[in-house]
This record gives sequence, C-alpha cells and structure tokens, in this order.
Amino acid sequence: DMKVTQMPRYLIKRMGENVLLECGQDMSHETMYWYRQDPGLGLQLIYISYDVDSNSEGDIPKGYRVSRKKREHFSLILDSAKTNQTSVYFCASSLGNSDYTFGSGTRLLVI
Amino acid sequence: SQWGEENLQALSIQEGEDVTMNCSYKTYTTVVQWYRQKSGKGPALIILIRSNEREKRSGRLRATLDTSSQSSSLSITGTLATDTAVYFCATNPNYNVLYFGSGTKLTVEP
Repeated sequence: DMKVTQMPRYLIKRMGENVLLECGQDMSHETMYWYRQDPGLGLQLIYISYDVDSNSEGDIPKGYRVSRKKREHFSLILDSAKTNQTSVYFCASSLGNSDYTFGSGTRLLVI
Repeated sequence: SQWGEENLQALSIQEGEDVTMNCSYKTYTTVVQWYRQKSGKGPALIILIRSNEREKRSGRLRATLDTSSQSSSLSITGTLATDTAVYFCATNPNYNVLYFGSGTKLTVEP
C-alpha cells in the first residue's frame, strides 16, 4: 500500500524549543513537500524538495528549514519554535504534477 | 495569491441530495485537482481535470473547468453521509507546486 507516513502525529513544545517533524514515503517519488494548514485556510506551502539536497522555499518558509538526505525521507525543522507556528503540518510526495499523496498530518502545539 | 474570490464556505445537505462546489483561480494552470479531506486525515485526490478538458466524471463526481473564466466546479450526485468532508480545489501554476483554495466544508446529514 503506497503511502506517506508522518511522525509524530501529535506534538506539544514550549516556545523556543527545537522541533523536528519527519516524513517518509515508499513510492520513490522525487518531489516532496511540506504544507501547513490553519483553520479556515487552505494548505500553505512551506518548502518543496525536488530530490536529495535539492530544496526550494515555498510561500511561507520563514522560521522553517528542511533536510532531505534520502529520497524517501524529508524532515521539517523549526529552530526555536514560536506560538504562531502552532498548526497542522502535512507532508506530501508527487510523481510529476499529479498523483500527490499526503500524509495524515502532525498536529503541533507550541505553548 | 493564486486565488481570486475566497471559496471557503460551509454547506449542509441531506443524504441523497446533489451538491455543487465552485472555485476560481487567478493564474494559468495545466490541471485543476479536487481533494477531499476527512476529519483527522490528509487531503486525498478525488478527481483531476486538465486544461484541455471541459468536463470529467468519476462515479458520482463530476468536475468542470472553464479556462476562460478560470473557474472550476465539483458536483456530487446522490450524496452519502460518508461524503462529509472538506473539499479543496488546487492548481499548479508552477508545474510541480500545488496551490490550494480555502475549501468547502460539506456536511451530509443521514
């Protein structure tokens, strides 16, 4: 069963702590993404990765960085988390410009 | 922003009714994708319509695309309670990158 797996599913952090969100896919997709979703809004693109060590900023990259050292794994890092980074984070992978597969999300609360 | 008018809305209907959701976008796209997101889950692609298609059907789903007005619609016929979800349209003006609208929250009462 082809899928995108996100860990952890739920996370509570204090302001100023570092946060690591992890994502894996088993479809050998080249392109992977990190989005965040806030109430009443669609998904906003944080970063896109075209392959290993080939990452580009999305629309809202400030306060985030990413790492992709293996094709199947894409991490989102928050250095010194802020309360306005409380959100639901979704990872996705795609084959070209269609066939996007999303994970189930990580719900992050920064207090 | 990729989007024109906000398409965020909430619809509540009875099981068996038909429903149509609309979205509009600002920038040229090669495809419009419609996603369904159930509570606690990530979005899942339900239908994709390309810029050279005016209509696409898949089971109870029907998507239309009007490139001249840069708008798309998603219709569901004979809704079921299990169709309850948030529905997003998404476009890709920059090839791989997918941009989402705000979504329509659909509640289908049994």
